Amino acid sequence: DGGITQSPKYLFRKEGQNVTLSCEQNLNHDAMYWYRQDPGQGLRLIYYSQIVNDFQKGDIAEGYSVSREKKESFPLTVTSAQKNPTAFYLCASSSDRGASYSPLHFGNGTRLTVT
Amino acid sequence: GDSVTQMEGPVTLSEEAFLTINCTYTATGYPSLFWYVQYPGEGLQLLLKATKADDKGSNKGFEATYRKETTSFHLEKGSVQVSDSAVYFCALSEGNTPLVFGKGTRLSVIA
Repeated sequence: DGGITQSPKYLFRKEGQNVTLSCEQNLNHDAMYWYRQDPGQGLRLIYYSQIVNDFQKGDIAEGYSVSREKKESFPLTVTSAQKNPTAFYLCASSSDRGASYSPLHFGNGTRLTVT
Repeated sequence: GDSVTQMEGPVTLSEEAFLTINCTYTATGYPSLFWYVQYPGEGLQLLLKATKADDKGSNKGFEATYRKETTSFHLEKGSVQVSDSAVYFCALSEGNTPLVFGKGTRLSVIA
């Protein structure tokens, strides 16, 4: 079955450490996205990529970095510069380079806890 | 910029009650509109969508009509079930810009 795989489901890190969240899709989608979800704040866009080797900052990119070397993969690194990294992180993809009519397909998320 | 405003929750209903979750939007052009649902501990799933004015999206008994004159896309269901308990997100997309989400409305349905 086609879909998006995020791993791991739960991740624990000490403050000051960088951590990388994995996102892989086998839907052959062009566009991929990272959102952060916090209670009562909905989803906020961190980074997105509409084609391989290109990506754009979203609304809250500070303290995060991404790469898009392969169509299937869009890893997110949470750096030590991110002030409040504890959150639920969602990866998504869509076809047609993210055209407005193309819905997003989401992974099941990674819950990151930094202490 | 584009934005979505949806009613705040939580919303608590008895089984078989009628559901309405209000959603209004602000956009410069003609966006596509979506409703997503998130079950506990999971990612979001597309529930329904509408891509132009007066379109009605429907799925699993849920409906929403794209109303350009009132810039609204309210979600409705005639008879909710316990299994509908989830968080519902209204969202819009314009051109090839990423989806903009509302803050979500938590629905709890009690037997």
